[in-house]
Amino acid sequence: DTGVSQDPRHKITKRGQNVTFRCDPISEHNRLYWYRQTLGQGPEFLTYFQNEAQLEKSRLLSDRFSAERPKGSFSTLEIQRTEQGDSAMYLCASSSWTARSYNEQFFGPGTRLTVL
Amino acid sequence: RKEVEQDPGPFNVPEGATVAFNCTYSNSASQSFFWYRQDCRKEPKLLMSVYSSGNEDGRFTAQLNRASQYISLLIRDSKLSDSATYLCVVNMPAGGTSYGKLTFGQGTILTVHP
Repeated sequence: DTGVSQDPRHKITKRGQNVTFRCDPISEHNRLYWYRQTLGQGPEFLTYFQNEAQLEKSRLLSDRFSAERPKGSFSTLEIQRTEQGDSAMYLCASSSWTARSYNEQFFGPGTRLTVL
Repeated sequence: RKEVEQDPGPFNVPEGATVAFNCTYSNSASQSFFWYRQDCRKEPKLLMSVYSSGNEDGRFTAQLNRASQYISLLIRDSKLSDSATYLCVVNMPAGGTSYGKLTFGQGTILTVHP
């Protein structure tokens, strides 16, 4: 399968614990994005990378959240001191330059986080 | 006001019906427009891009009106398998020249019944 992969698919944690998610983009896609989706809402942008550079971060991304893409391939998203409000689906997407733009993004299956 | 607004529905239609979804966006500098489809507890998947001239892909027709900042999706001859949430998606500037992020509407729920 050459699509975007995410690990783990599900994570249950207790409030106050740290969690880390991994995303492997489609190979050769140089842009990688993180989104968060809660029930009944569309995904909300968190941050994105072009190669290893983090180019944009949402105001939603508090200082408890950090994302890295150290070698320009896979990425990790860490949430420190989790809160119940962090419970959501965390989606990763990737894209590459096409004839038109970077903008067609392909999503992974997501990591569903439940904070108890 | 939300940056991308959709009627959340739900829309319940019989097989074979034609159904239309509408969407408005707030930023006139928005650059690219899409419809994504999301099945229950699955990831969003690109259904089609939306171009100013309008575009069609089989039973699906998308249109963009930049002057009114309005996007539409028409589904003809609905199938049971069309049941899903349809997300209106806009690529809008986030300050400076960054056009990296996608902004999603809330999604419109469609249920096609026999």
